[in-house]
Amino acid sequence: AQKVTQAQTEISVVEKEDVTLDCVYETRDTTYYLFWYKQPPSGELVFLIRRNSFDEQNEISGRYSWNFQKSTSSFNFTITASQVVDSAVYFCRLGGGSQGNLIFGKGTKLSVKP
Amino acid sequence: NAGVTQTPKFQVLKTGQSMTLQCAQDMNHEYMSWYRQDPGMGLRLIHYSVGAGITDQGEVPNGYNVSRSTTEDFPLRLLSAAPSQTSVYFCASSNLAGAHYEQYFGPGTRLTVT
Repeated sequence: AQKVTQAQTEISVVEKEDVTLDCVYETRDTTYYLFWYKQPPSGELVFLIRRNSFDEQNEISGRYSWNFQKSTSSFNFTITASQVVDSAVYFCRLGGGSQGNLIFGKGTKLSVKP
Repeated sequence: NAGVTQTPKFQVLKTGQSMTLQCAQDMNHEYMSWYRQDPGMGLRLIHYSVGAGITDQGEVPNGYNVSRSTTEDFPLRLLSAAPSQTSVYFCASSNLAGAHYEQYFGPGTRLTVT
C-alpha cells in the first residue's frame, strides 16, 4: 500500500526566514511520481512540481527548491526567504502503478508573518 | 479555455436528499477524477475515469456514483446524502495518466449535509 506522511501539521515563520516542508513516502512500485501542490487561502490547488522515481536531481525554481532522496524515501520542499504570499497549505502527492494509486499527504499549513 | 469548471460552488442538503455535482473540462483530457477534502485529511480520491465510458473506484467510493458519457463531463452523484459527506469536493483532469502526471483542479464545491 502507498502512504504519504507530512509530519508537520502547521509551521509558522517570520518573513525572510527559510522553511523546509517534509514529505516521506512509502510505495512498492519501482516507478512512481511525486508532486507538490499549493492551496492558498482562496482554496484552489496549484501544481508546483513533478518528479519521477528515476530522477533524483534536486530542482530549484526561484525561491523554491526540492530535495528528492530515494534512500530516505523523502521529497522535501524548501522555500528560501519566505514571503507572506507563501502562506498556504502545501500537499505532497504520490502516484504510481494503477491510475487509482494516487495518494495525497494530509498537508502542512504554512503561515508566514510579516 | 475555461479549464475545469464545477457547479455549484456551495450546496446545502438535508440527510437523504440526492444531488449531482457537475464537472466539466474543455482541455480534451482523458483522465478525470473526484476528490473530497476534509480538515486534516488531505485530498482523498473518490472515483476516477481514464476515458469516456470507463470509470473506477478510488480510496473512498462509498455513497457516490459517477458516469462518463463524454470526454468533457464527469458528474458525481450522491444518492442519499449523509452528514459524513459534508466536505469540499474537487474535480480534476489530466491529459495523460492522471496518477503519473500533473492534474488540473476545479475551484471546488463546498457541500454541507444537515
